Amino acid sequence: GENVEQHPSTLSVQEGDSAVIKCTYSDSASNYFPWYKQELGKRPQLIIDIRSNVGEKKDQRIAVTLNKTAKHFSLHITETQPEDSAVYFCAASTPGNQFYFGTGTSLTVIP
Amino acid sequence: KAGVTQTPRYLIKTRGQQVTLSCSPISGHRSVSWYQQTPGQGLQFLFEYFSETQRNKGNFPGRFSGRQFSNSRSEMNVSTLELGDSALYLCASSLTNLFTGELFFGEGSRLTVL
Repeated sequence: GENVEQHPSTLSVQEGDSAVIKCTYSDSASNYFPWYKQELGKRPQLIIDIRSNVGEKKDQRIAVTLNKTAKHFSLHITETQPEDSAVYFCAASTPGNQFYFGTGTSLTVIP
Repeated sequence: KAGVTQTPRYLIKTRGQQVTLSCSPISGHRSVSWYQQTPGQGLQFLFEYFSETQRNKGNFPGRFSGRQFSNSRSEMNVSTLELGDSALYLCASSLTNLFTGELFFGEGSRLTVL
């Protein structure tokens, strides 16, 4: 089955700096890659996703890039703010198959 | 629209007991999937139900089971509890069972096994 690896497991940045989280996947058939944000004590929520026919997608301060050849995708957060502090999960899936999640990255934004 | 509701939110059990967790999906969502969340392990897929049928199953022992009712509400059951079953159990609903769209998670049921 699919194997999703996520790095780093923890990340601390100064407010205003950028944060980058990387994930790799093993199954070349995977074609949907969402990112979820889970604030402390709350439910995971989708923040951005990308499909395999697209190389990059942006939504305000958040962007995701996908390299199908290398089988990796990354989350980029610019101008970080304290409210960006949370655990971020990447995932990969193929149609009709399950989601495979990474192990999460705990992001701390230092004011 | 009401979100995904899970009950109970917290529970404590002892080894060997069994537990049943409930999940009510967003109205109109027919797919319900379950995940186990533990520190360092992320979200591990347990199973997914669509129209009362289990469509996908993760790599968990047979002690973990589930079902879905005609109103799309789902339950999961863990029998003969072990210490390692202590975790946050999340359910998520979605419009389709194709795993190509957003998952809407509940707040989870935190199970502690003593």
